[in-house]
Amino acid sequence: ETGVTQTPRHLVMGMTNKKSLKCEQHLGHNAMYWYKQSAKKPLELMFVYSLEERVENNSVPSRFSPECPNSSHLFLHLHTLQPEDSALYLCASSQDRGLNTGELFFGEGSRLTVL
Amino acid sequence: AQSVTQLGSHVSVSEGALVLLRCNYSSSVPPYLFWYVQYPNQGLQLLLKYTTGATLVKGINGFEAEFKKSETSFHLTKPSAHMSDAAEYFCAVSRSGGYQKVTFGTGTKLQVIP
Repeated sequence: ETGVTQTPRHLVMGMTNKKSLKCEQHLGHNAMYWYKQSAKKPLELMFVYSLEERVENNSVPSRFSPECPNSSHLFLHLHTLQPEDSALYLCASSQDRGLNTGELFFGEGSRLTVL
Repeated sequence: AQSVTQLGSHVSVSEGALVLLRCNYSSSVPPYLFWYVQYPNQGLQLLLKYTTGATLVKGINGFEAEFKKSETSFHLTKPSAHMSDAAEYFCAVSRSGGYQKVTFGTGTKLQVIP
């Protein structure tokens, strides 16, 4: 596989469920990101990991819990979500060394629906 | 601080007509500028980017953009629209150094009319 792969592509969950989103990058990058994309809103940066260390957490509610076990994998653990958390969750990666330019490589996203 | 403004959340053009999507930015340091495209139910894909050097940047699918520092603009153009260009387009700005801090615009949905 190449690029950035996200699973599942679609997820429906109740407010009391616990689920996880998975992201895997095959690009040799060392930084990974979670973005939230809601209708009629700008892309929201949620979390950034650089060299497996969380370097940014944009005031995201604790019901979202990221995990980065290595530079190729990123998870977003979900629990007791609210209906307003329904959105497309995008994972991205980048090379955070040398002449980095800010170019992000995105996965196809996980469409989350909270009932 | 940096920001991006995309003028027009929806743009409609006829097939074969010029595509012009507008983007203005603000940045306290020399910016890196990007255009990304998102097709329905997909992630974002890089169309083109400006880092340094030539201010006219060519990207995939016949798109190009020109960095105009004096106007703080980075408008996206394509001479002749194709039906397959219908998508949402995002302008973005970042600064160099460390992990990327990328700021996205709110997006412009392009509709191509047959």
